[in-house]
Amino acid sequence: GNSVTQMEGPVTLSEEAFLTINCTYTATGYPSLFWYVQYPGEGLQLLLKATKADDKGSNKGFEATYRKETTSFHLEKGSVQVSDSAVYFCALTDDSGYSTLTFGKGTMLLVSP
Amino acid sequence: KAGVTQTPRYLIKTRGQQVTLSCSPISGHRSVSWYQQTPGQGLQFLFEYFSETQRNKGNFPGRFSGRQFSNSRSEMNVSTLELGDSALYLCASHIQGTKQETQYFGPGTRLLVL
Repeated sequence: GNSVTQMEGPVTLSEEAFLTINCTYTATGYPSLFWYVQYPGEGLQLLLKATKADDKGSNKGFEATYRKETTSFHLEKGSVQVSDSAVYFCALTDDSGYSTLTFGKGTMLLVSP
Repeated sequence: KAGVTQTPRYLIKTRGQQVTLSCSPISGHRSVSWYQQTPGQGLQFLFEYFSETQRNKGNFPGRFSGRQFSNSRSEMNVSTLELGDSALYLCASHIQGTKQETQYFGPGTRLLVL
């Protein structure tokens, strides 16, 4: 079956530091890949997505590139802010014809001033 | 456009009771998916509805059921509640339910079973 593996958190950074959150996946065919973010007490918001190999998704300074050869979709940001503190989820939808999201366990990011 | 709304936001029930949660998708979206979020299991898929038909179902017992109405609003029902059903229940709205589409999540209903 499908699976998504994310680095365990929490990730603790100072403001303006560089962020990387690793994500690797297992799925047959060509899944679509997503990063969602969850702020405390809220639902999930799409951060970015990529639907084919070598695509780069980007939004609000965050970027991730769909690497088919390494089955990875690592999230990066050059300079984090306190407001980026949240839980980040990597997810995929596969080629089954359904739109079911398979999520990683989530990585909590804590950014201090 | 209004976002996805879920009601109620919080719910406290006791073991053995049943509960119904509601989700109103974004206008024009025909597909609604439900997910359960717990600290131990993370986010797990419950079911997806498209045009009033259940299109896919996750690995949950039959106590979990759902339906979708002609206006795309969806409800999920959990009967004979167990302590382990305590969770955040999230619904997601999407246009047609294709794999590339963005799914828009509501704020969730937090269910506590005592």
